[in-house]
Amino acid sequence: QVQLVQSGAEVKKPGASVKVSCKASGYTFTSYGISWVRQAPGQGLEWMGWISAYNGNTNYAQKLQGRVTMTTDTSTSTAYMELRSLRSDDTAVYYCARDLDAHTSCPDYWGQGTLVTVSS
Amino acid sequence: DIQMTQSPSSLSASVGDRVTITCRASQGISNYLAWFQQKPGKAPKSLIYAASSLQSGVPSKFSGSGSGTDFTLTISSLQPEDFATYYCQQYNSYPLTFGPGTKVDIK
Repeated sequence: QVQLVQSGAEVKKPGASVKVSCKASGYTFTSYGISWVRQAPGQGLEWMGWISAYNGNTNYAQKLQGRVTMTTDTSTSTAYMELRSLRSDDTAVYYCARDLDAHTSCPDYWGQGTLVTVSS
Repeated sequence: DIQMTQSPSSLSASVGDRVTITCRASQGISNYLAWFQQKPGKAPKSLIYAASSLQSGVPSKFSGSGSGTDFTLTISSLQPEDFATYYCQQYNSYPLTFGPGTKVDIK
């Protein structure tokens, strides 16, 4: 069965960086994309970006451009999301999700979420 | 950016009720519309893609319709496990955008 297992909760200071991992299993990793979505406390869902595990193509939300990098390691079927220059409003639960295919950012299976807290 | 709106923002319903949630896009998105269900403290669950196609394992009491700018999610007979927040998302063009959500709770 398709599973996405994310790394554990993080506490970071403002200005630091965080790298969240998302290990996939139960399917052919390079046949799909991975989307990243975050949710601030009590708020709705926010699309952060997408990476194709097939060819490494990415597309990021404009508001995160320059601070976010999404990568994949096909040897371990793991996706990564790094967010730099953290601010307090980056405090959120971060989700990875497998997409419908390698070229479409539309989630079908979700990870369990990773809480990132940014606090001095 | 394409703006997504949902109505109502919340609703109260009883077990067995038929529930309909509306999602509207600020411009045409063909059928590139997905629906998600989220329960408190849990990851979202994918319900529908391409406006009306059920994700694997999703019960047939959920249905979606629409094209262009106006879409609906219908739950034919609400059950206790369906009380949750529902989000729509357009994936027609970047940046992808979500609706603000519709919270369905018990009357």
